[in-house]
Amino acid sequence: GAGVSQSPRYKVTKRGQDVALRCDPISGHVSLYWYRQALGQGPEFLTYFNYEAQQDKSGLPNDRFSAERPEGSISTLTIQRTEQRDSAMYRCASSYDGTGVLQTQYFGPGTRLLVL
Amino acid sequence: AQSVTQLDSQVPVFEEAPVELRCNYSSSVSVYLFWYVQYPNQGLQLLLKYLSGSTLVKGINGFEAEFNKSQTSFHLRKPSVHISDTAEYFCAVSDPQKTSYDKVIFGPGTSLSVIP
Repeated sequence: GAGVSQSPRYKVTKRGQDVALRCDPISGHVSLYWYRQALGQGPEFLTYFNYEAQQDKSGLPNDRFSAERPEGSISTLTIQRTEQRDSAMYRCASSYDGTGVLQTQYFGPGTRLLVL
Repeated sequence: AQSVTQLDSQVPVFEEAPVELRCNYSSSVSVYLFWYVQYPNQGLQLLLKYLSGSTLVKGINGFEAEFNKSQTSFHLRKPSVHISDTAEYFCAVSDPQKTSYDKVIFGPGTSLSVIP
C-alpha cells in the first residue's frame, strides 16, 4: 500500500468494553511498532514486532493491553475492560527492518480512542 | 533510560522570521537523533535524522539541525518560516547500544504557530 493505515480512525466506547485497533503496515515492512500518544505529549512506545514475533512489550501499561501480528503483516492492539485513562491517540509505525542499520519509521494516521 | 527534553511547549513566530526549536537528550556514548513533524490530523513525518558524521543535518522543507555532543543538544532551525510550517514538532532519540532494534523515545513536542 501507499502508507501505513489504521482503523478505525475514531473509536468511542464505554468503560469496561473491549476494543481492537488495527494496523496495516507498508507492504514488505518487517518491523512494526505501536505507540500511545496522550494529548499534548509525544508518542510513547508500547510494543514492537519483528515479523510475527513480539520482541518487546515492555511499554504495554498493564495486562489489559495485548497485541498480535499472526502472519507478520497486519497487527491488532487489543484493550480489554477499557478505562477512561486509556483515552488517547494510538499510533502504529512500520519500518523495512528495525534490526539492522537504523530504518525510518513510517507512521499511520492513528486511532483516536475515547472511553466514556 | 534515555529521555528527551523540549523546553518550549509552544513557539509563536511571524511568517518569514527565523525559528529555533530546542531539544536536549540524556547523555549516552552514542545516540541517533531525529526530528519528526506532525501536521494537523496527519501522522508523524520524519524531518531529518542524525546517525553519525557531520554534525549539521539538513532535512526536508528547509529545516536543519545541529548535533552538539558536549551540550547533548539537537536544536532544529529554519531561517525563514512559512504559514505551512505550523505543526507539532517532536525530537526523538534512539540508543543503538541499549536495544537490538530501533526503539525510539520521543520528547513531549513543541507546537510551532506561524503568524501571518
